Amino acid sequence: DVVMTQSPLSLPVTLGQPASISCTSSQSLMYSDGNTYLNWFQQRPGQSPRRLIYKVSNRDSGVPDRFSGSGSGTDFTLKISRVEAEDVGVYYCMQGTHWPRTFGQGTKLEIK
Amino acid sequence: EVQLLESGGGLAQPGGSLRLSCIASGFSFSDHDMKWVRQAPGKGLEWVSTLTRSGDKTYYANSVKGRFTISRDSSKNTLYLEMNGLRADDTAVYFCARRWAGGPDYWGQGTLVTVSS
Repeated sequence: DVVMTQSPLSLPVTLGQPASISCTSSQSLMYSDGNTYLNWFQQRPGQSPRRLIYKVSNRDSGVPDRFSGSGSGTDFTLKISRVEAEDVGVYYCMQGTHWPRTFGQGTKLEIK
Repeated sequence: EVQLLESGGGLAQPGGSLRLSCIASGFSFSDHDMKWVRQAPGKGLEWVSTLTRSGDKTYYANSVKGRFTISRDSSKNTLYLEMNGLRADDTAVYFCARRWAGGPDYWGQGTLVTVSS
């Protein structure tokens, strides 16, 4: 199975400051069709997950542009340019290239 | 508006069975692969199973293979998860999700399955 490793697991951030979460996969996530199926999700307390980013760097509809994704191969990053109060929650990366699909452990973002 | 509404969760005894349903609306159900993802209390997300849009291919996590069966009825816009041989570690909120562009883009609100004697 492809292991997805996130860091940090806990991320205290001051409002208005940037935040960054790393996700590393144990195998390359580039698929034979040339796409890299790396997704990022946000799960606010008590809510269902919401996808923010697909195929490494594409924002889903309605996602604020302060969220951005980057990376390639096995190393990926989610960045929040200026953290707002509504960004509190747990963030997960997930690979959609290999079976079985796998998620990272989650990174808990809190306001300092 | 895309909506996914799960039901069928509840309390089951170890070794017992449950059948989860997910009614989809607001999109063309037959155009999308569908999946189940679960989350144990206080834990992270775990992919459970995926069914292709045509219904001809199924994929399962090793932890549920041979015990769970995913299926769909496109005439009812409904996704199912038949769960047999339930174990305590199957206790979780089960989310139904639509697949688009390489991952689950819309999720339901989840249904809680508790396995306990």
